Amino acid sequence: DVKVTQSSRYLVKRTGEKVFLECVQDMDHENMFWYRQDPGLGLRLIYFSYDVKMKEKGDIPEGYSVSREKKERFSLILESASTNQTSMYLCASSPTGATNEKLFFGSGTQLSVL
Amino acid sequence: AQSVTQLGSHVSVSEGALVLLRCNYSSSVPPYLFWYVQYPNQGLQLLLKYTTGATLVKGINGFEAEFKKSETSFHLTKPSAHMSDAAEYFCALKAGGYQKVTFGTGTKLQVIP
Repeated sequence: DVKVTQSSRYLVKRTGEKVFLECVQDMDHENMFWYRQDPGLGLRLIYFSYDVKMKEKGDIPEGYSVSREKKERFSLILESASTNQTSMYLCASSPTGATNEKLFFGSGTQLSVL
Repeated sequence: AQSVTQLGSHVSVSEGALVLLRCNYSSSVPPYLFWYVQYPNQGLQLLLKYTTGATLVKGINGFEAEFKKSETSFHLTKPSAHMSDAAEYFCALKAGGYQKVTFGTGTKLQVIP
């Protein structure tokens, strides 16, 4: 089975801290995504990457950046954490190709910014 | 721009009753449509998907959905609810050969014994 692993299940940070959320997938997928999930708002796309060193902004990129130096790893960076970034963060990956249309999700990181 | 609208943030059904979760979409090009399920404290997993071909698609755990282009809908159904179906369900869309997937706001399904 494909595995998408997020480094932390729960994370507590202080306002202004730089925060790194790490995601690793083990199936050689080209595409990787970062979403945040908030009650009543569903999943909103922050950034995605379709290849190493390539990235594209999603719907809510403000306050975030990403890094993809290796195919299997996609990092989300909060340059200066704020309380409105308290949320559940979900990483996902997918292969390219119509027959394989599917996102594989990690279990999520619940980030609290105090 | 593409979008997904899920009607009803919470739906309650009795065990054994029909499950109907509604999803409408907007897309300027033919979409791929998905339903994902999220059980408590877990990530999302795919229930079913429509890409091309047959408009009635069957998924895991007895769920199915029908793509209706004229109604821009992709409603999820299951003939008989089971307690284990209690979860949050997300409708999602992908269009135009683009890798971005847009999700709806989710519907929490409660199954009453």
